[in-house]
Amino acid sequence: DGGITQSPKYLFRKEGQNVTLSCEQNLNHDAMYWYRQDPGQGLRLIYYSQIVNDFQKGDIAEGYSVSREKKESFPLTVTSAQKNPTAFYLCASRGGVQAINSPLHFGNGTRLTVT
Amino acid sequence: AQSVAQPEDQVNVAEGNPLTVKCTYSVSGNPYLFWYVQYPNRGLQFLLKYITGDNLVKGSYGFEAEFNKSQTSFHLKKPSALVSDSALYFCAVSPEENAGNMLTFGGGTRLMVKP
Repeated sequence: DGGITQSPKYLFRKEGQNVTLSCEQNLNHDAMYWYRQDPGQGLRLIYYSQIVNDFQKGDIAEGYSVSREKKESFPLTVTSAQKNPTAFYLCASRGGVQAINSPLHFGNGTRLTVT
Repeated sequence: AQSVAQPEDQVNVAEGNPLTVKCTYSVSGNPYLFWYVQYPNRGLQFLLKYITGDNLVKGSYGFEAEFNKSQTSFHLKKPSALVSDSALYFCAVSPEENAGNMLTFGGGTRLMVKP
């Protein structure tokens, strides 16, 4: 079945450590996104990528980094510079630049806890 | 900059009764509007979208939404609620010029359907 796989489901880290969240899709989608979800705040866009080897900052990119070396993969690194990293992180993808009206497809998220 | 308001943190409704989840938006130009649903510890699932055309949009699981340009609203409705509809609902907007690429989400509304 086609879909988006995020791993791990739960992740625990000590403060000051970088951590990388995995996102893989087999939907052949060009565009991929990372959102952060906090209670009562909805989803906020961290980074997005419309094509391989290209990505743009979203609304809250500080303290995060991404790469897009392959169409299927869009890993997110939460660095020690992110002041409040504990959150639920959601990866999403969307049909290519031609699919301008297409909805987002989401993975099941990674819950990151930093202590 | 665009914004979305979901004025109710929670909506309670009895099974079999009609439900409405409210959403208002602010965006420059024509809006692309979406509704998503989220079940516990899962990603978001697409319900329906408004791009252009009829103001009443029908989506998955019997949900529909009405676009009202003068009131800048896009309320989600269902004629007869089910207990299984209990979940977190998000409204999202993107300006037409971004072609759905830079979605802004509301804070979410928790729907509780009681038997």
